[in-house]
Amino acid sequence: QKEVEQNSGPLSVPEGAIASLNCTYSDRVSQSFFWYRQYSGKSPELIMSIYSNGDKEDGRFTAQLNKASQYVSLLIRDSQPSDSATYLCAVNAGNTPLVFGKGTRLSVIA
Amino acid sequence: EAGVVQSPRYKIIEKKQPVAFWCNPISGHNTLYWYLQNLGQGPELLIRYENEEAVDDSQLPKDRFSAERLKGVDSTLKIQPAELGDSAVYLCASSSEMVSEQFFGPGTRLTVL
Repeated sequence: QKEVEQNSGPLSVPEGAIASLNCTYSDRVSQSFFWYRQYSGKSPELIMSIYSNGDKEDGRFTAQLNKASQYVSLLIRDSQPSDSATYLCAVNAGNTPLVFGKGTRLSVIA
Repeated sequence: EAGVVQSPRYKIIEKKQPVAFWCNPISGHNTLYWYLQNLGQGPELLIRYENEEAVDDSQLPKDRFSAERLKGVDSTLKIQPAELGDSAVYLCASSSEMVSEQFFGPGTRLTVL
């Protein structure tokens, strides 16, 4: 059973701080890693994808991947109240279905 | 570019009634997915289509759920008969190829009374 684990939270950070969201996965052959943001009552929105070890930056978002440790993280710099949402980590390996974690709820306090 | 379109957005039915959901993927996306999402959980795959072919339906409860994707574009997911436990959000997503990013539609929130 392929698993993706996330701390459910809530993770509370003050406005302007760095929010760090973590995800571990069980399938060692996983190749593609995604972070989705989901506001309450809305559908998941893709915000980052990463395929190789290291960091990938996009605006205030940085995804970090460590395949040896089976660990992927998302950093949000200068957190804003509008970043308050549930962040879903998703993983797949080649031609296999995407497996989602349960998500981490982030609350940015103004 | 238009996103994934789903209808209806909300549906309330009584148990044992049939229900159908419709999805139109992003233009040019050959792969279409139907997911189910319960409160506090991540989406769970029900079925994946590559063009017209259902290539992964192992999680689809085939005794009551069915899906089709005629002509390889839009798709319909049906439940007959619906049970109380089917209350959830049904999400449709599409991608241009299996390993690339998936984009979700707004979802259909189903309530079975």
